[in-house]
Amino acid sequence: NAGVTQTPKFRVLKTGQSMTLLCAQDMNHEYMYWYRQDPGMGLRLIHYSVGEGTTAKGEVPDGYNVSRLKKQNFLLGLESAAPSQTSVYFCASSFFDRASQPQHFGDGTRLSIL
Amino acid sequence: SQKIEQNSEALNIQEGKTATLTCNYTNYSPAYLQWYRQDPGRGPVFLLLIRENEKEKRKERLKVTFDTTLKQSLFHITASQPADSATYLCALGNTDKLIFGTGTRLQVFP
Repeated sequence: NAGVTQTPKFRVLKTGQSMTLLCAQDMNHEYMYWYRQDPGMGLRLIHYSVGEGTTAKGEVPDGYNVSRLKKQNFLLGLESAAPSQTSVYFCASSFFDRASQPQHFGDGTRLSIL
Repeated sequence: SQKIEQNSEALNIQEGKTATLTCNYTNYSPAYLQWYRQDPGRGPVFLLLIRENEKEKRKERLKVTFDTTLKQSLFHITASQPADSATYLCALGNTDKLIFGTGTRLQVFP
């Protein structure tokens, strides 16, 4: 089973460039999430989705956009990258709700903004 | 605001001993508490979930306790092995929110 797959695994961008991070899950989960992980800080929720066609803001949504056109895919976009967005980005999914079910994570995208 | 505290210093123990990791929280009344393992360069992997009305939960060599009065969870690994070396994250929340701690790094020496 593939579980949660993230692409790309690494990327270096220049300030002002845009890019899209891709996340795919094959577990038929309703909920999907995008987190960022920075040294000394816990995983912080950027945006999440409770089902196909829905999105909602998390704790740190500014500078990011998301889309969930298909149930199995959740895309995270950076319209104009800034050095403060240098981080490791994790996608996760769960059957339903955010805390009563395990979240399944991908292995992350390591993004550097120069 | 809600706050989760995990020991930021690494926990170093000898193989075969029991490792105990602590997760404390304030300003929150979570219904669920989860523990994850994270290896370097990998995403977190779910280990155990415990509900507020459960005092203790076990899975093989793992045991989690949840004390809503003390606002604390303890995570135990018995008969620890070098392969248990990793960072362990606690996360707590309700159906509409899950908050992660910063994690504690466990190092098990042979």
